[in-house]
Amino acid sequence: NAGVTQTPKFQVLKTGQSMTLQCAQDMNHNSMYWYRQDPGMGLRLIYYSASEGTTDKGEVPNGYNVSRLNKREFSLRLESAAPSQTSVYFCASSALAGGSGELFFGEGSRLTVL
Amino acid sequence: GENVEQHPSTLSVQEGDSAVIKCTYSDSASNYFPWYKQELGKRPQLIIDIRSNVGEKKDQRIAVTLNKTAKHFSLHITETQPEDSAVYFCAASNSGAGSYQLTFGKGTKLSVIP
Repeated sequence: NAGVTQTPKFQVLKTGQSMTLQCAQDMNHNSMYWYRQDPGMGLRLIYYSASEGTTDKGEVPNGYNVSRLNKREFSLRLESAAPSQTSVYFCASSALAGGSGELFFGEGSRLTVL
Repeated sequence: GENVEQHPSTLSVQEGDSAVIKCTYSDSASNYFPWYKQELGKRPQLIIDIRSNVGEKKDQRIAVTLNKTAKHFSLHITETQPEDSAVYFCAASNSGAGSYQLTFGKGTKLSVIP
């Protein structure tokens, strides 16, 4: 039981390049989330998927797209990376709606955009 | 939307002393208040949560109190130990609205000095 697994753990991009962060959970959770964490800013929600087949914007969605591929997998795509997207990205899942139940986080992906 | 303020941003205590972290929230409809601990370089993990139908909850050395009237909640850690050193995040949401969005505070870096 691996929990929430996200890849890659580290990535360096040049401005304008694209990339996809992958996330998978093996806990049979309905809800999945992508957060970004910046120094002094806490955790901010980018996008979430309440259930398979649905996705919705969070607090800071600009510059990102997501895909809920199936119940297990939820990917985050940066189409044209910008230095402002340098951050640590966390995928998370929950059995209940994220506003009422424990979030299980992945180990994080550190992205640097030059 | 919800706004969560967290204080202090940094806190240093001697081993064995108590630590208190305070958060205020803006949305009176919020009813779920979790606390997450993030050790250096690790993922955030839930340590305790409280719902608005109770005023206090304890789990060994940690406790959370909630004052709905004043819209604030606090984390109390007693008999602090070096392994309590971490960043702590409070959060709030209105789970009754089917919300999938937790709003996090900006975090408190707790240092326990041996």
